[in-house]
Amino acid sequence: AQSVTQLGSHVSVSEGALVLLRCNYSSSVPPYLFWYVQYPNQGLQLLLKYTTGATLVKGINGFEAEFKKSETSFHLTKPSAHMSDAAEYFCAVRPKHHMRFGAGTRLTVKP
Amino acid sequence: KAGVTQTPRYLIKTRGQQVTLSCSPISGHRSVSWYQQTPGQGLQFLFEYFSETQRNKGNFPGRFSGRQFSNSRSEMNVSTLELGDSALYLCASSLELAGITVTDTQYFGPGTRLTVL
Repeated sequence: AQSVTQLGSHVSVSEGALVLLRCNYSSSVPPYLFWYVQYPNQGLQLLLKYTTGATLVKGINGFEAEFKKSETSFHLTKPSAHMSDAAEYFCAVRPKHHMRFGAGTRLTVKP
Repeated sequence: KAGVTQTPRYLIKTRGQQVTLSCSPISGHRSVSWYQQTPGQGLQFLFEYFSETQRNKGNFPGRFSGRQFSNSRSEMNVSTLELGDSALYLCASSLELAGITVTDTQYFGPGTRLTVL
């Protein structure tokens, strides 16, 4: 069954530093992969998704992710962290009807 | 276009009671999914509806049920509440004009936070 694993439940970076949130997938067929962000007391907001085509996917708020089949990875990056990026981030795969989420990574941004 | 709306936003109930949560999808969206989010278990899929039919169900007891109306609005019901049902319940909708479309984005509502005392 398709699933995703997020490496690191907590990541802390300084403002202006590179953000790297790791996600690996397990799938026997090319998966469709998503990154969502959740701010406190809110629902999930789509950052970006990979379906087919270009492996480097650009999303909102300056985030991007690269699908690497050889590494079964879909890591999320942002060149320069901003205080407003502090939130929980979820990697997800959608095998069929519903999303299957990773455990989430809480991003803290230090001033 | 308005996003996914969920009512109420907050609920406090006691053990043994039942509760009904409501979700209005984005206009034109035909699929509605429900998820439970807890600190211990993370995001877990409850069920999914498409054109008033339950297409898929997660691994939850029968106390959890749902339905979808002809206007795509959906409700979920939890009977005989237990302390462990305290969670954020999220509803998501997706377009799916062509039926099952795994590339379709699911758009989430703000959730209903249920506290069971």
